Amino acid sequence: SQTIHQWPATLVQPVGSPLSLECTVEGTSNPNLYWYRQAAGRGLQLLFYSVGIGQISSEVPQNLSASRPQDRQFILSSKKLLLSDSGFYLCAWSNSDGGKNIQYFGAGTRLSVL
Amino acid sequence: GNSVTQMEGPVTLSEEAFLTINCTYTATGYPSLFWYVQYPGEGLQLLLKATKADDKGSNKGFEATYRKETTSFHLEKGSVQVSDSAVYFCALSLKAAGNKLTFGGGTRVLVKP
Repeated sequence: SQTIHQWPATLVQPVGSPLSLECTVEGTSNPNLYWYRQAAGRGLQLLFYSVGIGQISSEVPQNLSASRPQDRQFILSSKKLLLSDSGFYLCAWSNSDGGKNIQYFGAGTRLSVL
Repeated sequence: GNSVTQMEGPVTLSEEAFLTINCTYTATGYPSLFWYVQYPGEGLQLLLKATKADDKGSNKGFEATYRKETTSFHLEKGSVQVSDSAVYFCALSLKAAGNKLTFGGGTRVLVKP
């Protein structure tokens, strides 16, 4: 069966520090991968998605970047965090063939920038 | 563009009450529709889905019917439990748009004993 792992679960970082959040998927190959952010009390915003290694699409301009160094690994990064980067970050995957159009989510990382 | 609008919360109910969360959508094309649920401190889980008009998705006592004529996908449950307290997200996806999900703003539901 397929599983998705995100870490860390929680993170407290000072303003101006770097960020690296990791997401890995097991039990499938060539998945579509997604990073979402959920700001406090708000809905989800798609940040990045990837259809293959090295292929990243950015949905909104921001202080963050994403990379996909391996087929089932998706990394969210920042060189210098801003206060506004605080939020709940969710990674998700879906089958690349469209399948049933279902996305499966990780447990999320709660980031607090102080 | 594509968008999803759902009723704002919080919705506070007593146990065994009837729950309805309204969801309407705008899409260029024929989307698939979803309800996801987020329990406190957790990620999102797929609750139910429908892929074509008049389909009814159902799971854990929740139901939603894909209404193309009213572009709606309202979520209902006849008798809620305290364990149903969560945030519920309506979403759509279009194959032509790479199956990216467009979410509504979420509706927080609190069920009191």
